[in-house]
Amino acid sequence: GNSVTQMEGPVTLSEEAFLTINCTYTATGYPSLFWYVQYPGEGLQLLLKATKADDKGSNKGFEATYRKETTSFHLEKGSVQVSDSAVYFCALSDPYDYKLSFGAGTTVTVRA
Amino acid sequence: DAGVIQSPRHEVTEMGQEVTLRCKPISGHDYLFWYRQTMMRGLELLIYFNNNVPIDDSGMPEDRFSAKMPNASFSTLKIQPSEPRDSAVYFCASSFPADTQYFGPGTRLTVL
Repeated sequence: GNSVTQMEGPVTLSEEAFLTINCTYTATGYPSLFWYVQYPGEGLQLLLKATKADDKGSNKGFEATYRKETTSFHLEKGSVQVSDSAVYFCALSDPYDYKLSFGAGTTVTVRA
Repeated sequence: DAGVIQSPRHEVTEMGQEVTLRCKPISGHDYLFWYRQTMMRGLELLIYFNNNVPIDDSGMPEDRFSAKMPNASFSTLKIQPSEPRDSAVYFCASSFPADTQYFGPGTRLTVL
């Protein structure tokens, strides 16, 4: 079956620091990969996606590259802001039934 | 464009009462998903529809839960009778393309 493993948090950073959250997956077929962000009291927002090997998704300064050889989709941002404090979820979409498999989520706190 | 709309945003009810959660998907999206989020179990897929037809309800916890999608613009998730262990945040999501889900803001349900 499909599964997603992401680094456990919580992660605490200072403003302007570099952020990386590791994500690896196990899947049958060729899934699409996603990062979602959840701010306190809100729903999940799509942050970025990649649909095939070597694709790079990017949005709001965040980037992640679909690495088929290492089955990874690590999230990076070069300079975080306090407003980036949130829970980040890595996910994959099954290519046959489109059901999402989520990682456990990583809580990120950015201090001024 | 309006995103996925859910109502109510908060619901407090007493054990044994019927609860109905509502969802309006994004226009043109032909998949609709219902999820439950708790601290203990994370995000769980309850049921999903394609073109208003239920495809997989294997995540519905028990017969007290039911979901309908009478048309492309509306879906309900009903719990009857409700129990304290049903307390959670319930999310609706719709997708287009099929692999990319967009989440609503959620309904926070508290069963006393």
